[in-house]
Amino acid sequence: KQEVTQIPAALSVPEGENLVLNCSFTDSAIYNLQWFRQDPGKGLTSLLLIQSSQREQTSGRLNASLDKSSGRSTLYIAASQPGDSATYLCAVRPGSNYQLIWGAGTKLIIKP
Amino acid sequence: DAGVIQSPRHEVTEMGQEVTLRCKPISGHDYLFWYRQTMMRGLELLIYFNNNVPIDDSGMPEDRFSAKMPNASFSTLKIQPSEPRDSAVYFCASSHYRAQGEKLFFGSGTQLSVL
Repeated sequence: KQEVTQIPAALSVPEGENLVLNCSFTDSAIYNLQWFRQDPGKGLTSLLLIQSSQREQTSGRLNASLDKSSGRSTLYIAASQPGDSATYLCAVRPGSNYQLIWGAGTKLIIKP
Repeated sequence: DAGVIQSPRHEVTEMGQEVTLRCKPISGHDYLFWYRQTMMRGLELLIYFNNNVPIDDSGMPEDRFSAKMPNASFSTLKIQPSEPRDSAVYFCASSHYRAQGEKLFFGSGTQLSVL
């Protein structure tokens, strides 16, 4: 059974720092992996989607990597800003079904 | 595009009452998903549709829950009768596989409180 874990559950860093969020999954047979952010009281916003054949995806200051063999993905945020404060979730699609397996999220606080 | 639109934003009801949540997906999207989020269980997929047809409803907790998608621009999630343990945030999301891969677009959610 696929399980997705995000550590740490919370992270607080000063503005301007580069940081890495971690996502691990137990079964390497995945179809794709997505990173989302969720602001308080709002829905989720898809940030990056990595297909199983890809190693990384980039969007602006964000870079997501995928290592299926080790069951790990990282979300790298460069030059963090207070506006990056949110909860970041990763989700794995195990196969042909659209049932995503979700991590519990990392709550990120960027201090001005 | 206005994005995925959900209504109401907040719903407070008493146990035993019928609750109907509504969703308008992004125009042209062919997949629609209903999720529930709680602190204890995180995000749970309840049901999803492809081209208005329910594909997988294995996440629907029990017969009290039902979902319909009568056309490409509207879906409802109904709970009858509601119970306090149904209190959660319910999200609707849509996607267009060919145009945007499987990138999911979420609505702002409906905060449901059953007293």
